[in-house]
Amino acid sequence: QKEVEQDPGPLSVPEGAIVSLNCTYSNSAFQYFMWYRQYSRKGPELLMYTYSSGNKEDGRFTAQVDKSSKYISLFIRDSQPSDSATYLCAMCTGNQFYFGTGTSLTVIP
Amino acid sequence: KAGVTQTPRYLIKTRGQQVTLSCSPISGHRSVSWYQQTPGQGLQFLFEYFSETQRNKGNFPGRFSGRQFSNSRSEMNVSTLELGDSALYLCASSLGGAENIQYFGAGTRLSVL
Repeated sequence: QKEVEQDPGPLSVPEGAIVSLNCTYSNSAFQYFMWYRQYSRKGPELLMYTYSSGNKEDGRFTAQVDKSSKYISLFIRDSQPSDSATYLCAMCTGNQFYFGTGTSLTVIP
Repeated sequence: KAGVTQTPRYLIKTRGQQVTLSCSPISGHRSVSWYQQTPGQGLQFLFEYFSETQRNKGNFPGRFSGRQFSNSRSEMNVSTLELGDSALYLCASSLGGAENIQYFGAGTRLSVL
């Protein structure tokens, strides 16, 4: 079983839709949970990170962590064409990092 | 504050050659990690350096090596290049302590012909 599982998509939504991106994990020791956005042929850009359980909001983006279910989510409200990218979840405990394979998102104008 | 800088951005090499990639971390970051990214495999961890010492290593052959200097800058070397080494090589830096959030550079795109 992989440490982190992420549905690769692709996911295609109309502009203005609410997008839900998810990852599951198996290691209960993970403490930090991150979401990265990667545009084509660019490096991943850190969007948000959360420590332990709970929610974190930043503008149109909300990250949720449910440690009891080993499940994390990223919600994008009022999605824009500029949100079209690959979204990677990542988790770490100490100095060990694990990444999901990424979900490709296209927002159609 | 400057971000993570990787040079060069693009490289074209032929099989059998060797290549050195460079990474300058965010000021104050002591940990540098290297990843290989390909469409089929996603992000694959190569190794991590912290205070000039390799702290973690992924499952790559010995042709892949790295080092870190006293100013935290890091280099990655790939010897005897193979066609399958064509990929985007990403460097990420972090503080390296308890709050170990990684920040990525733009990557070096290596093409092996």
